[in-house]
Amino acid sequence: QQQVKQSPQSLIVQKGGISIINCAYENTAFDYFPWYQQFPGKGPALLIAIRPDVSEKKEGRFTISFNKSAKQFSLHIMDSQPGDSATYFCAASKETSGSRLTFGEGTQLTVNP
Amino acid sequence: GAGVSQSPRYKVAKRGQDVALRCDPISGHVSLFWYQQALGQGPEFLTYFQNEAQLDKSGLPSDRFFAERPEGSVSTLKIQRTQQEDSAVYLCASSPRRVRSTGELFFGEGSRLTVL
Repeated sequence: QQQVKQSPQSLIVQKGGISIINCAYENTAFDYFPWYQQFPGKGPALLIAIRPDVSEKKEGRFTISFNKSAKQFSLHIMDSQPGDSATYFCAASKETSGSRLTFGEGTQLTVNP
Repeated sequence: GAGVSQSPRYKVAKRGQDVALRCDPISGHVSLFWYQQALGQGPEFLTYFQNEAQLDKSGLPSDRFFAERPEGSVSTLKIQRTQQEDSAVYLCASSPRRVRSTGELFFGEGSRLTVL
């Protein structure tokens, strides 16, 4: 049962461009939506997170847009850099399950110089 | 170091062997999670501890998988009679938060298990 669906599977962007990754969820009980970044051979690391009481959160070049009615959220990376090349995972969790995360399938981002 | 430490980083096992994977969480972190990450996939939840109590083991794929955290710090994930489908990266994560709260998980670099 895939509760969090992520697209695209891979993404190639030119340096300076905007990278957009989308996720959709099914469980309306989810109340915390983080994005994790993973480099090869490393564990995932938290990038940015949002709760459903806001529609957008921005931290530097990274922005989460959240649409509660559509049960969708997305990550926007502005001014993409080669150092942003990594795999990005959206995730979701609900308070009643603590910090247990349900992850999407991942998006492999390549930013060309 | 101050991060989550996992060992071994790489393990090759013959089918049928037992393996044990260790996780040292960040000091003082109450919650500890194990995830399984297959190649090219997102991490999938295995089990969760709050201190020494295993509060959720619903993600363990079979009774060959067993996890413990006897003193509320270091945790061990044991896989008995390994099968080829057990080949994956096993990620450990810790959090300072207790159940009924959400927040950042701090992941280790994982233990890559290859079953021949």
